[in-house]
Parts: sequence; structure tokens; C-alpha cells
Amino acid sequence: EPEVTQTPSHQVTQMGQEVILRCVPISNHLYFYWYRQILGQKVEFLVSFYNNEISEKSEIFDDQFSVERPDGSNFTLKIRSTKLEDSAMYFCATRILQGTNTEAFFGQGTRLTVV
Amino acid sequence: DAKTTQPNSMESNEEEPVHLPCNHSTISGTDYIHWYRQLPSQGPEYVIHGLTSNVNNRMASLAIAEDRKSSTLILHRATLRDAAVYYCILKYNTDKLIFGTGTRLQVFP
Repeated sequence: EPEVTQTPSHQVTQMGQEVILRCVPISNHLYFYWYRQILGQKVEFLVSFYNNEISEKSEIFDDQFSVERPDGSNFTLKIRSTKLEDSAMYFCATRILQGTNTEAFFGQGTRLTVV
Repeated sequence: DAKTTQPNSMESNEEEPVHLPCNHSTISGTDYIHWYRQLPSQGPEYVIHGLTSNVNNRMASLAIAEDRKSSTLILHRATLRDAAVYYCILKYNTDKLIFGTGTRLQVFP
């Protein structure tokens, strides 16, 4: 069964450092998303991405965050200067089509720990 | 986004059916009802979705009330692997999923 792959599985970084989280989407999927889940809290939407552009972003997704698909395969989330409160699980999700009648496939997540 | 209400937790014994309820009294006519689940230490996983009619797939069944103000996810025979948090999510004209707190299902051997 096709799956979304995320690397690394766990990243520890010092506050103020830049991190890049990577996601390999399912091959024929066109819509990409990042979500995050702070320990013990809800899964929160960060950003959606289609056709090399951000489609929608949440209030959480401020100027410290950016996304890109540099080589047509990997989909990345960059946090420019990490803060302690960025510590969370980050999930990549992909969808073959846009819309309300399709399912999203999630990766296993990257656990980001900012120290 | 229309709001959903789910019990915080439910329990089941292995191999018994489980009915997970969801209330969505403010649902609009074009909202799809989606269910996802999150197993421990994993990403969310799609379970099933529907609009008006009941739906079945290999994982579960979705029973939608006639007035669409509530729905029930049915796991026909719970296994230990079904222990997870189950999320009922309404989607209309948006790509994103808005997760609530869901129902934590415990399955006992």
C-alpha cells in the first residue's frame, strides 16, 4: 500500500536553530499538507500546498515557517528559528485530489524537540 | 466549520461490535462526514466518509441519521489494534481537516 514517508523520525535541535522536516508524498498525489500535534493536544492544521503555492495557512504558520517542493518529490517544512513551543509531532499529509470527498494520507510524523 | 461532539472515551471488549457516536447538529447540506483515527504514536489514518447514505468499507461502517444531525462509526468486531482516538470531522469546501479531541477507544482482551 502506498504511504507517505517522513524524515527524520526524531529531531532534536537547539532553540534558535533552523530545522527542515522532509516528506515524500505518494507519487500521484497533488495536494500536500503539514499538521502538528503538541504533546497531549489536538492535531492542528498548519498549511496546504498545491501547484508550488501555498493554498491556505493557519495563524500558527507565521513568518518563521516556510514550505517548498524543491525537486518535485520531497515536500519540506522549514522552521527558521525554532522556539521551545515548536516542540511537537509534525505530520505531513497528501491527497490525490482537492475537495471534500477525498481522503488524506498521513505520514508517521517527525517528533521535533527544541531544547 | 460546523462543530462535532463526541464522547471523550469509550471501552469495548475484543471481538465485540463498537458504536462510536458523533453529534453534528449544525451540519449543512454539503458537509461530508469524515472519520479518522490515530493509533498510539502514529499519524492520523483515514477510516471512512459519507454524505447522506450509510457507507461500508473494509475497516468500518458509517451510519448517518436521516436528518444528518448525527452519525455512528461502527467497528463490527473490535480488535486490540483498534484502540485509538477516533475523530469525526465535517468537511465543506475546504481541504484542511479540523480535528477535535475525538473519542479514545480502549479495547480489552
